[in-house]
Amino acid sequence: AQRVTQPEKLLSVFKGAPVELKCNYSYSGSPELFWYVQYSRQRLQLLLRHISRESIKGFTADLNKGETSFHLKKPFAQEEDSAMYYCALGDTDKLIFGTGTRLQVFP
Amino acid sequence: SAVISQKPSRDICQRGTSLTIQCQVDSQVTMMFWYRQQPGQSLTLIATANQGSEATYESGFVIDKFPISRPNLTFSTLTVSNMSPEDSSIYLCSVWDGFNYGYTFGSGTRLTVV
Repeated sequence: AQRVTQPEKLLSVFKGAPVELKCNYSYSGSPELFWYVQYSRQRLQLLLRHISRESIKGFTADLNKGETSFHLKKPFAQEEDSAMYYCALGDTDKLIFGTGTRLQVFP
Repeated sequence: SAVISQKPSRDICQRGTSLTIQCQVDSQVTMMFWYRQQPGQSLTLIATANQGSEATYESGFVIDKFPISRPNLTFSTLTVSNMSPEDSSIYLCSVWDGFNYGYTFGSGTRLTVV
């Protein structure tokens, strides 16, 4: 069955530290993966998708089909990165979301 | 990117009543999606709404409980019927906004059933 797993509910780091938010997926076809972010009191918004191969706000994510992972990384966390992060899998015109990881960046 | 307006932003309702949530998009879109986010949980797709056809519901969701209308390419409504406290959730509208923006979401409706 299609599934997205984010093992960490909460990740706390200090400003300037590296960040890795984990995401693993289960999908029988060729996956399309997304990272969405929700800042406090704001709506859910797209951070990046694996097809784009972009770096947004310093974040990158590489699709590893062998490990079925799509971890989100940033080398130096900033306080403004504090938010809720959701990994999502595109499945025939719909999204399957992971449970989310709350990132707290302390000064 | 598309701009989605969702109303109401929040409501407190009595059990047994119904609430209709509106979703307005500033551009024409083929598919609109309704999600539910229960407290402390992730987003779950309720149904996909295409203009001119019946909505397609995901497993665990039925039309009698969550009737959906899609009268045109910019508007949809979701009704939560015969509410119980278990329906207390955030309900979100979403559209496919093209390759550059992916799926765009409304700001959500926070529903509390008492």
